[in-house]
Amino acid sequence: GQNIDQPTEMTATEGAIVQINCTYQTSGFNGLFWYQQHAGEAPTFLSYNVLDGLEEKGRFSSFLSRSKGYSYLLLKELQMKDSASYLCAVLPNDYKLSFGAGTTVTVRA
Amino acid sequence: DADVTQTPRNRITKTGKRIMLECSQTKGHDRMYWYRQDPGLGLQLIYYSFDVKDINKGEISDGYSVSRQAQAKFSLSLESAIPNQTALYFCATSDSSGVGQFFGPGTRLTVL
Repeated sequence: GQNIDQPTEMTATEGAIVQINCTYQTSGFNGLFWYQQHAGEAPTFLSYNVLDGLEEKGRFSSFLSRSKGYSYLLLKELQMKDSASYLCAVLPNDYKLSFGAGTTVTVRA
Repeated sequence: DADVTQTPRNRITKTGKRIMLECSQTKGHDRMYWYRQDPGLGLQLIYYSFDVKDINKGEISDGYSVSRQAQAKFSLSLESAIPNQTALYFCATSDSSGVGQFFGPGTRLTVL
């Protein structure tokens, strides 16, 4: 099976920066995804990394190191609406996306 | 209109009842997936289909069955529902590259 680890919860203040780490051990690697999921809603796509390095998209950035089996999602200038669960997911050789349990981020005023 | 739709959105049923959850997509994707989500456990793959004639079991297929009626439709059935099948169920689709999945809005199922 696949093994994907991320912290359960994080809390940060509005306007601050939060970094969510994800480590993985999978059978092959075809890319890593980050999804955002608000409570009771569907996951929505945030980012995709397949090569090492940083991908920036507005306030959100995602970093990948394949040799270390490591990724992070960086959320800048936090807003209250960023309070959600963030899911790390890896696409292994069988192309069945494997998800971590998710990190619940709470943004406080 | 939503690209991936699920019906019903909410369902309460009793132990032993047969339940069908339906998923339709207008994205033209070949691949479709059914997941369940329980608090603290993330998304677990129940079944997946890479095309109309292809059905595969995922991590937790026991107690479930599926039918791929057409490229755009993928149904999940609980033959005899039990309380530990109470969960949030998501349908998802992807194109033939398998890169990235698009999720439906989810069905909240409660089995009493």
